[in-house]
Amino acid sequence: DAGVIQSPRHEVTEMGQEVTLRCKPISGHDYLFWYRQTMMRGLELLIYFNNNVPIDDSGMPEDRFSAKMPNASFSTLKIQPSEPRDSAVYFCASSLAGRVSYEQYFGPGTRLTVT
Amino acid sequence: AQSVAQPEDQVNVAEGNPLTVKCTYSVSGNPYLFWYVQYPNRGLQFLLKYITGDNLVKGSYGFEAEFNKSQTSFHLKKPSALVSDSALYFCAVSPPDYYSGAGSYQLTFGKGTKLSVIP
Repeated sequence: DAGVIQSPRHEVTEMGQEVTLRCKPISGHDYLFWYRQTMMRGLELLIYFNNNVPIDDSGMPEDRFSAKMPNASFSTLKIQPSEPRDSAVYFCASSLAGRVSYEQYFGPGTRLTVT
Repeated sequence: AQSVAQPEDQVNVAEGNPLTVKCTYSVSGNPYLFWYVQYPNRGLQFLLKYITGDNLVKGSYGFEAEFNKSQTSFHLKKPSALVSDSALYFCAVSPPDYYSGAGSYQLTFGKGTKLSVIP
């Protein structure tokens, strides 16, 4: 299995531009999570999906952030317009439901720099 | 709301010595507890979890963790550290799901502890 795939691995953009991060979860997993990691705030859960449906987006910082999961094998996190304070590493993770699971499998992350 | 505290930003240990990375938690109900490791420029990797049962949990790469309910702690341990164990370690907690009593999928992570194993 290829694991969780994220693209791009690095993104540098100018303030005000739209940024789209992509994630392909592990095949068969029915939960998908988006996290943001910064030195100041650590690892924060932004939003998570179950069976392609957003369950909790309370961690999304503001309306500039949006996430979609059009099918079981693809999700996007969009920032429009981007700001320098959005610079962070964004991780996607997936998980398989079940009482004895709860292990989340993380992708390699996308390092976003907004100048 | 649940929370996790990792009181040490960095832990240094000599190769071959035992290591401990500390974690305390706060959550309503019975906690589901996890340890993850992050190597440079990589995503987090699952190490071990406590759901129920024996308070001593064994995980990957020789790591283990001890759940202590009275002290609300879940410290990560390894009897003999390797240089390759040097990484960032995260403790995480999940509260029980309100309806099912099973674990929720909303993990709350600590800020991480950087472990450096010195040759």
